[in-house]
Amino acid sequence: QQQVRQSPQSLTVWEGETAILNCSYENSAFDYFPWYQQFPGEGPALLISILSVSDKKEDGRFTIFFNKREKKLSLHIADSQPGDSATYFCAASYNTGYQNFYFGKGTSLTVIP
Amino acid sequence: EAAVTQSPRNKVTVTGGNVTLSCRQTNSHNYMYWYRQDTGHGLRLIHYSYGAGNLQIGDVPDGYKATRTTQEDFFLLLELASPSQTSLYFCASSLLGGEDTQYFGPGTRLLVL
Repeated sequence: QQQVRQSPQSLTVWEGETAILNCSYENSAFDYFPWYQQFPGEGPALLISILSVSDKKEDGRFTIFFNKREKKLSLHIADSQPGDSATYFCAASYNTGYQNFYFGKGTSLTVIP
Repeated sequence: EAAVTQSPRNKVTVTGGNVTLSCRQTNSHNYMYWYRQDTGHGLRLIHYSYGAGNLQIGDVPDGYKATRTTQEDFFLLLELASPSQTSLYFCASSLLGGEDTQYFGPGTRLLVL
């Protein structure tokens, strides 16, 4: 069973637009949600994260919106730049037991100049 | 920033071959992880370890062994490689496990003919 789901699988936006990447999860016990960014030929790297006690987290052009009741979250990339073209992974974890993240399958973002 | 290195970066072997993938982290992290990344599946955890001599089974362990010889070094062993193990393999480390940030290596691309 896929614990974390992402949509769309791929997304293309024009430079300057806001890209919206969606994520949903199954386990209501999840309390921490990092987003990892991966460029071609590299390993994923932490981009931004949110705890379930918050409904929003901002870091520059990147914002996570979190809806605990619906078990959904989204990553908004404002003023998208060609350099943002990458694959974005949503992940989830809880702080007891399984000492790892459950990763989604990723969204491939392309920003056209 | 945490440094995680992997070797080799590329490997070709034949069905039934014996392969060892190496990972080293130099940041005194306790946890180390092995993932495989495949199109349509995202990142899937194979094995992880929380210290030298320790090994924990991940989500897709079949056909893989792993060994953590020191705090720095974590190896993934494919003793009878099969074409289904053709994949991109990532090693990662984190200090505390759980919700702690994972730092990924650059990956090893393995082709099993």
